[in-house]
Amino acid sequence: EAEVAQSPRYKITEKSQAVAFWCDPISGHATLYWYRQILGQGPELLVQFQDESVVDDSQLPKDRFSAERLKGVDSTLKIQPAELGDSAMYLCASSFSANTEAFFGQGTRLTVV
Amino acid sequence: TQLLEQSPQFLSIQEGENLTVYCNSSSVFSSLQWYRQEPGEGPVLLVTVVTGGEVKKLKRLTFQFGDARKDSSLHITAAQPGDTGLYLCAGTYYSGAGSYQLTFGKGTKLSVIP
Repeated sequence: EAEVAQSPRYKITEKSQAVAFWCDPISGHATLYWYRQILGQGPELLVQFQDESVVDDSQLPKDRFSAERLKGVDSTLKIQPAELGDSAMYLCASSFSANTEAFFGQGTRLTVV
Repeated sequence: TQLLEQSPQFLSIQEGENLTVYCNSSSVFSSLQWYRQEPGEGPVLLVTVVTGGEVKKLKRLTFQFGDARKDSSLHITAAQPGDTGLYLCAGTYYSGAGSYQLTFGKGTKLSVIP
């Protein structure tokens, strides 16, 4: 069964360091999402791609966060420098198109110390 | 961003009881999804509802989409400890310029006590 792959599963980093997350969506899915989820709450959208183009990054803290999907397939989310408040679960999801159902990866649990 | 209000936020019930979780908005959605999430894992899609008034059943779970496509409910019959988890509703809406977006409610944390 096709799945969204994310790595790493867990990441501990010191504040002010750089950290990167990787996501490989389900093959053929044009839409890719990055969400941030605080423990016990609903995911909040950071960035949405349609193929290689950014559709929405209005909630992405652009002074420290960046995201790319250069070839319209896999994607990388970077934080530099990391802050204590960035500790959260980072979820990647993909969908065939933006108005079809999204499927999630297992997420990356980030802890900033 | 269109908002989805989910209630209750927390629910603790005994095994065998029935429960309903609600997801409400003042906005219209083209579709609505329900996900279940366990600690440390990503959300897993349970169902997608598309048509106003639509009812879907998945074993002991019944999902309903409101006639106006602004609200939805999840009903669990005879809850079991394995139903424990975070239940999330998510709505797809047209955001303009040929684009759709997906927004989530804050979730309902369900605990089923044996």
